[in-house]
Amino acid sequence: KAGVTQTPRYLIKTRGQQVTLSCSPISGHRSVSWYQQTPGQGLQFLFEYFSETQRNKGNFPGRFSGRQFSNSRSEMNVSTLELGDSALYLCASSLGRTSEKLFFGSGTQLSVL
Amino acid sequence: GESVGLHLPTLSVQEGDNSIINCAYSNSASDYFIWYKQESGKGPQFIIDIRSNMDKRQGQRVTVLLNKTVKHLSLQIAATQPGDSAVYFCAENSNDYKLSFGAGTTVTVRA
Repeated sequence: KAGVTQTPRYLIKTRGQQVTLSCSPISGHRSVSWYQQTPGQGLQFLFEYFSETQRNKGNFPGRFSGRQFSNSRSEMNVSTLELGDSALYLCASSLGRTSEKLFFGSGTQLSVL
Repeated sequence: GESVGLHLPTLSVQEGDNSIINCAYSNSASDYFIWYKQESGKGPQFIIDIRSNMDKRQGQRVTVLLNKTVKHLSLQIAATQPGDSAVYFCAENSNDYKLSFGAGTTVTVRA
């Protein structure tokens, strides 16, 4: 069974631009979560989607948004990029029940110049 | 706010020795805990998990201990190998569809 797939693997953008990251969950998984990982802040929760509905959202500005499609694939978007948005963005999938392990992709490394 | 934290940011271990990585949590409502291993350039990989109705759980070369009285979680790795060098994260789930991660412990295995 294929794991969680994230594209692109690397991305370089400039301040003020916007970016869209993509995530394909493990087949059969209906929940997709997004995390931001930086050396200083560690892994920070962005949001979680299940059956196209956002069930939880982290403490990030409105520039960060996401969505989930009917096939469970998910995208996240960051608008008006800032230097501080440079990070590894990780997607994780699960069946969707509470209190269960997440399976992570390799992430998208975003650099904002 | 409440968060999961690790006691030590780094741990250096001699190959063949046992490793113990500690984690303190503060959310008493958490009912599920999990350890991840992250190698350079990769996403976190599941190691082992434990529910709050258990005190101990064993896997292959790994054991997780949960002490709810003092809100402490530990990961023990037996006979540490060079491939165990990585960053280890503990995480908790307080039943709200997200995991809260600790800061991580970097484990370096000395040959």
